[in-house]
Amino acid sequence: GAGVSQSPSNKVTEKGKDVELRCDPISGHTALYWYRQSLGQGLEFLIYFQGNSAPDKSGLPSDRFSAERTGGSVSTLTIQRTQQEDSAVYLCASSLQGVLNEQFFGPGTRLTVL
Amino acid sequence: GDSVTQMEGPVTLSEEAFLTINCTYTATGYPSLFWYVQYPGEGLQLLLKATKADDKGSNKGFEATYRKETTSFHLEKGSVQVSDSAVYFCALVDAGNMLTFGGGTRLMVKP
Repeated sequence: GAGVSQSPSNKVTEKGKDVELRCDPISGHTALYWYRQSLGQGLEFLIYFQGNSAPDKSGLPSDRFSAERTGGSVSTLTIQRTQQEDSAVYLCASSLQGVLNEQFFGPGTRLTVL
Repeated sequence: GDSVTQMEGPVTLSEEAFLTINCTYTATGYPSLFWYVQYPGEGLQLLLKATKADDKGSNKGFEATYRKETTSFHLEKGSVQVSDSAVYFCALVDAGNMLTFGGGTRLMVKP
């Protein structure tokens, strides 16, 4: 079956522009996670959705970052007024409900802010 | 807060050598422990997991044992192959639902 998909796979933008990153989780997975993978910072948790609500936003690095999820499926991560330090690979994962259920990762979106 | 520390790479081995990648953790609760692998050009994949003390996770010849007394989850493989070349991440899930990752260890296996 289809895995987690993310789009775009690569995004190059200019400093100060807004970007939207999309994640399509595995059908039936109620939990959705965003992580960021960057040089020097490793893999960082950003935000977690259970259904359409986000009980844990603790990893969002600033108020320029926001995310939403609609219909318990697709999620969009938006970064406003991008900065060069936002350059990273943004990973999305989904899982069945429950802490111990395996998280399946998408291929990521590589964001480069010039 | 929770944290995971793993040995820095790169680790370079010859084919059929024995592999150990060390991982230790700090957690406030009673975490579940994971190893994820990222092959070149691919996304993160779960390699193995353990949910309680003394559990041994295993997959594809890799093993790791959950050691509560030493707060460790070291990854081992008896005989590595060139195809095992990848970046390996140790991770935990504690009270929250998100994964806390170590910094990753790059493994390079030479023929």
